[in-house]
Amino acid sequence: KAGVTQTPRYLIKTRGQQVTLSCSPISGHRSVSWYQQTPGQGLQFLFEYFSETQRNKGNFPGRFSGRQFSNSRSEMNVSTLELGDSALYLCASASGEGSNEKLFFGSGTQLSVL
Amino acid sequence: GQSLEQPSEVTAVEGAIVQINCTYQTSGFYGLSWYQQHDGGAPTFLSYNALDGLEETGRFSSFLSRSDSYGYLLLQELQMKDSASYFCAVHSNYQLIWGAGTKLIIKP
Repeated sequence: KAGVTQTPRYLIKTRGQQVTLSCSPISGHRSVSWYQQTPGQGLQFLFEYFSETQRNKGNFPGRFSGRQFSNSRSEMNVSTLELGDSALYLCASASGEGSNEKLFFGSGTQLSVL
Repeated sequence: GQSLEQPSEVTAVEGAIVQINCTYQTSGFYGLSWYQQHDGGAPTFLSYNALDGLEETGRFSSFLSRSDSYGYLLLQELQMKDSASYFCAVHSNYQLIWGAGTKLIIKP
């Protein structure tokens, strides 16, 4: 079974630009959640999608948005990039049933904003 | 509000036992998970506790006390490959609230 795939692995952007990150979950998983991780910090929850619907959202500004397609693949978009958006963005997939007790993470997209 | 606390760094010797504590304050709690993350890698699931008590998986064990809002991860027979960051995460209202992580440094 293939794992969680995130593309691209690395991205360099400049302030003011926008960026789209992609995540393909494990086959059969319907839940995709996104996290931001900065050095020495825990994972900050961005949002979770289940069956194409945003089920939960963290405390990030509206510049951060996402969507999920019918095949469960998900994209995350960040508009008007700021220097502080430089981080590792992780996607995690889960079955989405019950309490989501186990997440499977992708390798992440390392975003650098210059 | 919701918060988790875990030590930022723990140092131990190869072959020894180490315990990483996690205290939390949250509403709607229904479980505590532990994840391991090596430098440059993705977090990987270690354990999940929904009920009070100890869960054992090989060299790793995890404990939960719901009444004390406390849990810990116990690593036995430490190996150099266990050098990593360890995160506790609380399951609450369809969200996972994460601690800032504990960097485990293992000395030979």
